[in-house]
Amino acid sequence: ILNVEQSPQSLHVQEGDSTNFTCSFPSSNFYALHWYRWETAKSPEALFVMTLNGDEKKKGRISATLNTKEGYSYLYIKGSQPEDSATYLCAFIGIRGFQKLVFGTGTRLLVSP
Amino acid sequence: NAGVTQTPKFQVLKTGQSMTLQCAQDMNHEYMSWYRQDPGMGLRLIHYSVGAGITDQGEVPNGYNVSRSTTEDFPLRLLSAAPSQTSVYFCASSQAGLAGADTQYFGPGTRLTVL
Repeated sequence: ILNVEQSPQSLHVQEGDSTNFTCSFPSSNFYALHWYRWETAKSPEALFVMTLNGDEKKKGRISATLNTKEGYSYLYIKGSQPEDSATYLCAFIGIRGFQKLVFGTGTRLLVSP
Repeated sequence: NAGVTQTPKFQVLKTGQSMTLQCAQDMNHEYMSWYRQDPGMGLRLIHYSVGAGITDQGEVPNGYNVSRSTTEDFPLRLLSAAPSQTSVYFCASSQAGLAGADTQYFGPGTRLTVL
């Protein structure tokens, strides 16, 4: 069974702080990495799909980087706002299981005003 | 577009009962899948389908059946409900038959309790 780990498990920051989380995944057999944002009582919503080593993606104040050789991805939020409060999930797909996303347990972010 | 819809939103079953969770999408997506969400665990894949008539097992398929007779619908059947199946169930879809590089669109979820 593939292991996808996210850290930290939870994070509490003040409005305006910048923050980042980590997603670790198997470095061999890589096909793609997904990031999702999941607000309480809603469905997960896609942020990024990353496929190439060195990929950097950006959406507003949120950005992500990918290192497939060492098996990690970082998600950055610049100038956190209370509306950024959510759980951030990453999901890994390997070449051999390319139809099956394996999700991490998520990082729960709380941004206080 | 309604996107991905799921019914019911909430359901309580007794041990041994059977039921079907419905999932439909109106985006003409080829790939559909079912996940369950349990406290302290990531979303875990139950079953998936890469197109009408094609289904396969995910990580935790035991106790569940699926079929895909149309592109739009992907129902999940619980054959004989057990308390261990108490969970929140999410259906998801993506455009192509290849899930890997495609954004997944999630439904609103079904919260199931088995007594």
